Amino acid sequence: AQSVTQPDIHITVSEGASLELRCNYSYGATPYLFWYVQSPGQGLQLLLKYFSGDTLVQGIKGFEAEFKRSQSSFNLRKPSVHWSDAAEYFCAVVKNSGGGADGLTFGKGTHLIIQP
Amino acid sequence: DAGVTQSPTHLIKTRGQHVTLRCSPISGHKSVSWYQQVLGQGPQFIFQYYEKEERGRGNFPDRFSARQFPNYSSELNVNALLLGDSALYLCASSLEEGDLNTEAFFGQGTRLTVV
Repeated sequence: AQSVTQPDIHITVSEGASLELRCNYSYGATPYLFWYVQSPGQGLQLLLKYFSGDTLVQGIKGFEAEFKRSQSSFNLRKPSVHWSDAAEYFCAVVKNSGGGADGLTFGKGTHLIIQP
Repeated sequence: DAGVTQSPTHLIKTRGQHVTLRCSPISGHKSVSWYQQVLGQGPQFIFQYYEKEERGRGNFPDRFSARQFPNYSSELNVNALLLGDSALYLCASSLEEGDLNTEAFFGQGTRLTVV
């Protein structure tokens, strides 16, 4: 079964500083990979996704992520965080057949705190 | 355009009762999926529906059931509620079956509290 590990439960970053959130997955083949953001009391918003091709993907709100097959990782980065980036971030995977049978598998999330 | 809408936004139920949660997908979207998000955890997949047929099911007991209607809206039903069913229930929709996990749009969820 596929699984997703987000090793950092909480991360605190100063406003304007760079950010990297870690994500490792366990799966027999390269899955489709996603990062979602969830603000308090809200649903999930897709930040970016990787299916194939260029391993560095750009997303919304200035985020990017890099897929590293050798490390089974898909880390999320942002060069300069804003106070509005404070939220819960989820990494997710799904098998790359694109079919709906398995649904998305999410990590437990990383809570991002922004210090002024 | 309206996004995925879920109702109610919050509700409180007593152990042993049953509950029905509702989801209206984005206009034109034919696929709907349901996820359970327990506090402090990531969402867990419950069901996927496409064209009124169940296409996938997660590891949840038979107390959980769902259906999709001709207008593509969906209901999630939970019987014999347990305290552990307290969670945020998220609905996601997409245009086609194959898009469900690659182009899914999530609603804001229904917060269920079981007391």
